[in-house]
Amino acid sequence: EVQLVESGGGLVQPGGSLRLSCAASGFSFSSYAMSWVRQAPGKGLEWVSTVGTGFDTYYGDPMKGRFTISRDNSKSTLYLQMNSLKAEDTAVYFCASNIPGRAGFDYWGQGALVTVSS
Amino acid sequence: EIVLTQSPATLSFSPGERATLSCRASQSVSSSLAWYQQKPGQAPRLLIYDASNRATGVPARFSGSGSGTDFTLTISSLEPEDFAVYYCHQRGSWPWTFGQGTKVEIK
Repeated sequence: EVQLVESGGGLVQPGGSLRLSCAASGFSFSSYAMSWVRQAPGKGLEWVSTVGTGFDTYYGDPMKGRFTISRDNSKSTLYLQMNSLKAEDTAVYFCASNIPGRAGFDYWGQGALVTVSS
Repeated sequence: EIVLTQSPATLSFSPGERATLSCRASQSVSSSLAWYQQKPGQAPRLLIYDASNRATGVPARFSGSGSGTDFTLTISSLEPEDFAVYYCHQRGSWPWTFGQGTKVEIK
């Protein structure tokens, strides 16, 4: 059974940092591009970042220069380092696996809530 | 950035009715489009990938069509569990984007 389990969410002050983790199991993690998608309270989905199987990285414009995505294939774990956090970064952050070579996120974690507030 | 427009924001149907949801892209995404269903408090669920392919375990009443800039998700006969929010998502070019969602509610 495929499982994606996020951790590391919580309350952080504006300007602070937080690192999210996503532990994957049940599939060949190293063969999948992995992504983060977020959802602000009561709002729609927003793509955050993707890391490919070759460790190539991509970011949404609001995250560039502040967020860093990475992966550790030996631990089957995806990370999102978030710096210089703003109130508008408050959201549930989901990790998701990308169907190889296809357009779609096939598996999703349950989400981790990040609240940026003083 | 490619903007995906889903309209209308809310659609009202009775169970058993046919629902047709629209997603329009501001420029061509070829067939690089997916559809997701999301219920309150849950993660999204993949329904359709590559515009027209049903994901594993998705009932046959869900179908996707379109290419380029105009896409459609059709639910042939709404079941009670289908009332939810539906999002389209493109990965035709970076940055990837989502539509703002269409809520399918019970009439």
